[in-house]
Amino acid sequence: DTAVSQTPKYLVTQMGNDKSIKCEQNLGHDTMYWYKQDSKKFLKIMFSYNNKELIINETVPNRFSPKSPDKAHLNLHINSLELGDSAVYFCASSQDPGVFGGYTFGSGTRLTVV
Amino acid sequence: QQPVQSPQAVILREGEDAVINCSSSKALYSVHWYRQKHGEAPVFLMILLKGGEQKGHDKISASFNEKKQQSSLYLTASQLSYSGTYFCGTGLNAGGTSYGKLTFGQGTILTVHP
Repeated sequence: DTAVSQTPKYLVTQMGNDKSIKCEQNLGHDTMYWYKQDSKKFLKIMFSYNNKELIINETVPNRFSPKSPDKAHLNLHINSLELGDSAVYFCASSQDPGVFGGYTFGSGTRLTVV
Repeated sequence: QQPVQSPQAVILREGEDAVINCSSSKALYSVHWYRQKHGEAPVFLMILLKGGEQKGHDKISASFNEKKQQSSLYLTASQLSYSGTYFCGTGLNAGGTSYGKLTFGQGTILTVHP
């Protein structure tokens, strides 16, 4: 039973398209995150939700819009995809926001924009 | 502000020891350590909280010196399974604008040879 599951695992799409990535966790955690890992392996936070409330919204283009319908789900919608959006996107969850407990990461979604 | 890890890469033979350092320019509340194998998600190793502590399990341990704003990860008697990229993640405080935000270092690539 996967703790944090992301779909799809791979996404290849053309510039200008709109795509979504879904994430679900069955750990009962209150906080969920989206991280972007670039080609140099740098992990950068994008968004965080705690009990469906947005608590972190980093400097991310507004083409990226997260949605949390309930505390077990956090989706990421990306409009008008650009070449620079190519990266691995990780969803993660933790019991408490950020600093108190470890994160459990999903397996990642490798997005390639051509 | 991204923490800085050193060294950038380490090559070991099985049974050798390694130390990975993580330094921040800001006062830290917590330090997380994660290991990521190629093509996989980062996996949580341990968290150290403000108060200056040491933790460990098996042959992997870590220390946190909050005065120096540094943490070190110690891997002793390394095994092949230790190979991967190690990331530290730092949490600045338990509230305010940094609430819940974990900032990752650039990673240290550890390679263990037979």
